Amino acid sequence: DTGVSQNPRHKITKRGQNVTFRCDPISEHNRLYWYRQTLGQGPEFLTYFQNEAQLEKSRLLSDRFSAERPKGSFSTLEIQRTEQGDSAMYLCASSFSNRVRRNTEAFFGQGTRLTVV
Amino acid sequence: AQSVSQHNHHVILSEAASLELGCNYSYGGTVNLFWYVQYPGQHLQLLLKYFSGDPLVKGIKGFEAEFIKSKFSFNLRKPSVQWSDTAEYFCALSVADRGSTLGRLYFGRGTQLTVWP
Repeated sequence: DTGVSQNPRHKITKRGQNVTFRCDPISEHNRLYWYRQTLGQGPEFLTYFQNEAQLEKSRLLSDRFSAERPKGSFSTLEIQRTEQGDSAMYLCASSFSNRVRRNTEAFFGQGTRLTVV
Repeated sequence: AQSVSQHNHHVILSEAASLELGCNYSYGGTVNLFWYVQYPGQHLQLLLKYFSGDPLVKGIKGFEAEFIKSKFSFNLRKPSVQWSDTAEYFCALSVADRGSTLGRLYFGRGTQLTVWP
């Protein structure tokens, strides 16, 4: 499968612990997005990268959250000192965009479901 | 600020019934519009998209949507639903940013469609 890959698929953690999720985008895609989805809601934007540069962060992304994309390929999302309100599905998406080649679709991974107990 | 509203949170239909899911958006400029579908246990998949041109857009699996700029709407339709269409449907919009035609996505809260055989 050459789609967007996310690991782990499920994570259960105790409140106060740190967790890290990984996203591997489609290989030629230069943009990578993180979204969060809670029950009964649509995905909400968290942050995105173009290559290794983090270009935008949502106000939803508190200082306990950090995302990296060190070599412009895979990305990690870390949540420090998890809280019960962090329980959600964390989605990653990728796309290819530049001024010459128009890209009109973002491809999503299956997500990492986080449960904080 | 951009936003997307989906009026129906849960729609229940019998097979062969016609479907229309409402989607309205709020944004004063040029938008790109999408419908995504999420089947149980699967990742978000693109059904169809509108960037420009013919406001009647045809997508996969017999779905279509009509962009009505004056009404800020992008309703999804299918003339005859099947049991396999049972899924959650998300309307989303994006605006161009940083030279790319596809920026971050703003999602509605989704509509759960249940089709009875």
